[in-house]
Amino acid sequence: KQEVTQIPAALSVPEGENLVLNCSFTDSAIYNLQWFRQDPGKGLTSLLLIQSSQREQTSGRLNASLDKSSGRSTLYIAASQPGDSATYLCAVLRNTGNQFYFGTGTSLTVIP
Amino acid sequence: DAGVIQSPRHEVTEMGQEVTLRCKPISGHDYLFWYRQTMMRGLELLIYFNNNVPIDDSGMPEDRFSAKMPNASFSTLKIQPSEPRDSAVYFCASSTTGKNEQFFGPGTRLTVL
Repeated sequence: KQEVTQIPAALSVPEGENLVLNCSFTDSAIYNLQWFRQDPGKGLTSLLLIQSSQREQTSGRLNASLDKSSGRSTLYIAASQPGDSATYLCAVLRNTGNQFYFGTGTSLTVIP
Repeated sequence: DAGVIQSPRHEVTEMGQEVTLRCKPISGHDYLFWYRQTMMRGLELLIYFNNNVPIDDSGMPEDRFSAKMPNASFSTLKIQPSEPRDSAVYFCASSTTGKNEQFFGPGTRLTVL
């Protein structure tokens, strides 16, 4: 069974700082990995999708990397802003079946 | 596109009552997923469909839960009878074969008194 872990569970940084969120998974036979953002009381918003053949994806101040062999992905947020405060979740899709496995998330607070 | 649509957004009911949650996936998406999110257990997959056919319902907690997808644009999750421990936020998501990028609806916050 695929297990997905996100460390740290919570992170607090001052505005303007660059930061890295981590996601690790136990089974490297994945189809893709997706990063989401969830604001309190809201649904999940897709941020970045990395296919298994890709090493990284970028969108604005966000950069996600994927290292399948080591079972890791990182989400890099540049020049953090208070509006980035949210919970960030990663999810992996295995090669077999179509079930996504979610991490428990990292709760990010950016202090003005 | 309007995205994934869920209704109702909030539901408050009494123990023992039947609850029906509704979902309209993004047009053209052939996969539909139902999730439940709680503080204790995080995000749990309940069931998913491909081309309206249930593929994996191993996450459905009990026989009290049932899900249907009568056509490509509509799915329901029913709880009968409901219990206080069913209180959670229920999300619907959809994706397409190939890219397999999931898009979530806004969720239904269910409270069972």
